[in-house]
Amino acid sequence: AIRMTQSPSSFSASTGDRVTITCRASQGISSYLAWYQQKPGKAPKLLIYAASTLQSGVPSRFSGSGSGTDFTLTISCLQSEDFATYYCQQYYSYPKTFGQGTKVEIK
Amino acid sequence: EVQLVESGGGLVQPGGSLRLSCAASGFTFSSYWMSWVRQAPGKGLEWVANIKQDGSEKYYVDSVKGRFTISRDNAKNSLYLQMNSLRAEDTAVYYCARDPQEMGDGNDAFDIWGQGTMVTVSS
Repeated sequence: AIRMTQSPSSFSASTGDRVTITCRASQGISSYLAWYQQKPGKAPKLLIYAASTLQSGVPSRFSGSGSGTDFTLTISCLQSEDFATYYCQQYYSYPKTFGQGTKVEIK
Repeated sequence: EVQLVESGGGLVQPGGSLRLSCAASGFTFSSYWMSWVRQAPGKGLEWVANIKQDGSEKYYVDSVKGRFTISRDNAKNSLYLQMNSLRAEDTAVYYCARDPQEMGDGNDAFDIWGQGTMVTVSS
């Protein structure tokens, strides 16, 4: 199975900050990568697919980049509603696997 | 409104069985690959299984192969997960999720999720 490793596992940030989360695949996955946001007690929400395509309705402050093994999710100007846990997921091959998550907390 | 609603979770003893259901509405259910994804308490997400539009292809994570069976009834707009020989490590919230592409090939992310149903395996 392809292992997805996110960094950092958690960090604190302030409203208005630019934040970047990294996801690394254990082998090349082309651009078959998605990013999700999850808030406590809620289902995950798709933010980005195909590594860099913004899901309909997702604010433009979210962006994704990368291909192959290294990917990033960037939030250009952190808002209060963005404090959550973020997961990357590869869908290049079975089993579809997720990163361990990155928790973004309020500083 | 596009919606997925899971049901069937609960407390079950180790070695027991449970059948989860997911009712879909607001879209043409028979045109989409569907998946089950689980999340153990305080842990990350784990894809469990998926099924093709017509049920002819199914894939599973290794840890549930031979114990779990995914199925669907397109006439009832419903997805199922039959879980047998349950273990403590199967304790999790189970979500059903939809692939984004109508008539897609299954190699995709998940754009619609249900609210989840909790399964607890304990004596």
